[in-house]
Amino acid sequence: DIQMTQSPSSLSASVGDRVTITCQASQDISTFVNWYQQKPGKAPKFLIYDATHLDAGVPSRFSGSGSGTDFTLTISSLQPEDIATYYCQQYDNVPPTFGPGTKVEIK
Amino acid sequence: QVRLQESGPGLVKPSETLSLTCAVSGGSLSSSNWWSWVRQSPGKGLEWIGEIYHSGTTSYNPSLKSRVTISLDMSSNQFSLKLSSVTAADTAVYFCARPRSGSYQYDYWGQGMLVTVSS
Repeated sequence: DIQMTQSPSSLSASVGDRVTITCQASQDISTFVNWYQQKPGKAPKFLIYDATHLDAGVPSRFSGSGSGTDFTLTISSLQPEDIATYYCQQYDNVPPTFGPGTKVEIK
Repeated sequence: QVRLQESGPGLVKPSETLSLTCAVSGGSLSSSNWWSWVRQSPGKGLEWIGEIYHSGTTSYNPSLKSRVTISLDMSSNQFSLKLSSVTAADTAVYFCARPRSGSYQYDYWGQGMLVTVSS
């Protein structure tokens, strides 16, 4: 299986801050990466596909980048409603695998 | 708008079989889609369990393959998960999910169901 790692595991930032989460794959996965946002007690919400494409309705403050083994999710201006845990997921190989998550909190 | 809803026992005894059903509304199981199960536990995070195509073709996570069966019930527009010989390690929130056609991009999820394995 392809292993996905994320850093940091958690972060605390102020409203309006730029937040960056990184995800690394154990092998080259081209751009076959999705990002999800999960709030407590809820299912993951689909945010970004193919590493860089925002799903419909996702605020433009979210963006994704990367290819190969290194990927980034950026929130350009953190908002209170962005408090959640964020997961990357690869789908280059079966089984699709997820990163361990990054918990984002407000300072 | 597709809606997914998990149901089943929330408590299963060790060595028994976990059985969950996902009811689909706003869409048909017979459409050209894969229908999936994903679980989330504190110890292993999000883990893909497997999927079934509308034709009945299945694909399972190799780590669970010997214990998993996913099936369709077209007449009820629902699909099911069975996981045999459960242990405490199978305690998790189980989600049914539907990816976009031809991908593993999960844009529709059920709300999740906590299943605890305990005697």
